[in-house]
Amino acid sequence: NAGVTQTPKFQVLKTGQSMTLQCAQDMNHNSMYWYRQDPGMGLRLIYYSASEGTTDKGEVPNGYNVSRLNKREFSLRLESAAPSQTSVYFCASSEGSAGNTEAFFGQGTRLTVV
Amino acid sequence: GIQVEQSPPDLILQEGANSTLRCNFSDSVNNLQWFHQNPWGQLINLFYIPSGTKQNGRLSATTVATERYSLLYISSSQTTDSGVYFCAVELGSSNTGKLIFGQGTTLQVKP
Repeated sequence: NAGVTQTPKFQVLKTGQSMTLQCAQDMNHNSMYWYRQDPGMGLRLIYYSASEGTTDKGEVPNGYNVSRLNKREFSLRLESAAPSQTSVYFCASSEGSAGNTEAFFGQGTRLTVV
Repeated sequence: GIQVEQSPPDLILQEGANSTLRCNFSDSVNNLQWFHQNPWGQLINLFYIPSGTKQNGRLSATTVATERYSLLYISSSQTTDSGVYFCAVELGSSNTGKLIFGQGTTLQVKP
C-alpha cells in the first residue's frame, strides 16, 4: 500500500517546454488534488477532481491543465512552462464523502523552470 | 475568502521542552488537519480534527470550532520534531476536501 505516488521527483525545464506530472493513489479514494508550494508559503490548490471524469479549478489554475484518467490517476500538465511555475508540486487524495475528507499527500515534485 | 493564521511563525526550542502552536480561522470549517513537513519536504498527517481533542504519543490537538481555533501541543520535544507545521482547513460549505493552508510555523529543536 504505497498511498499517493508522484513522478518524477525532480525536473528541470526550459522556458516554453511542456511536461506532465503523474500522480496515482491506491487507497480507492474518490477525490484527488494538485497543490503547489512556493518558498516560505503554505500550499495552494491548482485543480481538483471530485470523481473520475470531473475536474474543477482551484485558487491558482492559470497555466495548467489536468486529466483524471481513471479513479487512480490524476495528471497535471504544463503546456508552456514559465519561470513563475518553479515550485514544489504535491498531489493528494481523499475519500471525498461528507465527513470524511482527510487528505493524504504524495512526496512532491520539485520543478525548476529556467 | 477564509483566512487561516498560524502563530508563532518561528519557534526555537531546547530538546525536552513543550510547545503550543495555534491556528485561527475566520469562518466555519468542515475539516481541519495538522501536518508536519519534515526537512526533506514530505508532508506527514498528524491529526484530522474538525472538532474535539485527539492525542497521538507526545502530540495532541484540540479544535474549538465554535471559537474558530485549533491548538497543537508538542510535549518533550525531540530534534526529529523540527520542520514546518501546517494547519489546513476546508470551508464549512464545501464538502469537497479542498484545503486552505496557513503559512506554517517553523520549529527548530536544538539538542
